[in-house]
Amino acid sequence: NAGVTQTPKFQVLKTGQSMTLQCAQDMNHEYMSWYRQDPGMGLRLIHYSVGAGITDQGEVPNGYNVSRSTTEDFPLRLLSAAPSQTSVYFCASSYGHGSGEQYFGPGTRLTVT
Amino acid sequence: KNEVEQSPQNLTAQEGEFITINCSYSVGISALHWLQQHPGGGIVSLFMLSSGKKKHGRLIATINIQEKHSSLHITASHPRDSAVYICAVRGVHGGATNKLIFGTGTLLAVQP
Repeated sequence: NAGVTQTPKFQVLKTGQSMTLQCAQDMNHEYMSWYRQDPGMGLRLIHYSVGAGITDQGEVPNGYNVSRSTTEDFPLRLLSAAPSQTSVYFCASSYGHGSGEQYFGPGTRLTVT
Repeated sequence: KNEVEQSPQNLTAQEGEFITINCSYSVGISALHWLQQHPGGGIVSLFMLSSGKKKHGRLIATINIQEKHSSLHITASHPRDSAVYICAVRGVHGGATNKLIFGTGTLLAVQP
């Protein structure tokens, strides 16, 4: 099993550009989520999904869109990148409705100039 | 005040020392997680617990639900234990059951 994979590992964007961060898991987990990690702050939830076709907002959803068309994939879209979105992004998954052990991807380091 | 507080924020130890990292929280929880993040690396789950104590190798995690407090202990510490240790809790009410609340982490450096 590859676990949770994320691409790309690093990305530099200019303000206003859009892009999609990819996340995939091969553990058949129902629950998937996106977090951002900023210096001096705990991980913050952006969006999450409890199954294919179901998504919901987390703590900091503005500027991000998600969709969940399959159990395996949960892409995160930045609609119009802003410098405030410079961060490290982690995708995570778990079995059930998020009640189990969390499995994290390796992270994507995004810089918006 | 953050709902999850960790102490200390930074910790330097000598190889072989016994290490304790503390986590206090202010909300009702259904579970508490301890996570490890190596510099520049991904995040790995160490423990998930809702009561008592769990042990894995040199790592021990305890939780006291009444006092809203958990500790992570590392016995016979080694330089490879150097990492950020993160405490996270999952609430018990409604939609919050799916959402983890994270502490800001404890940066541990173990010197040889």
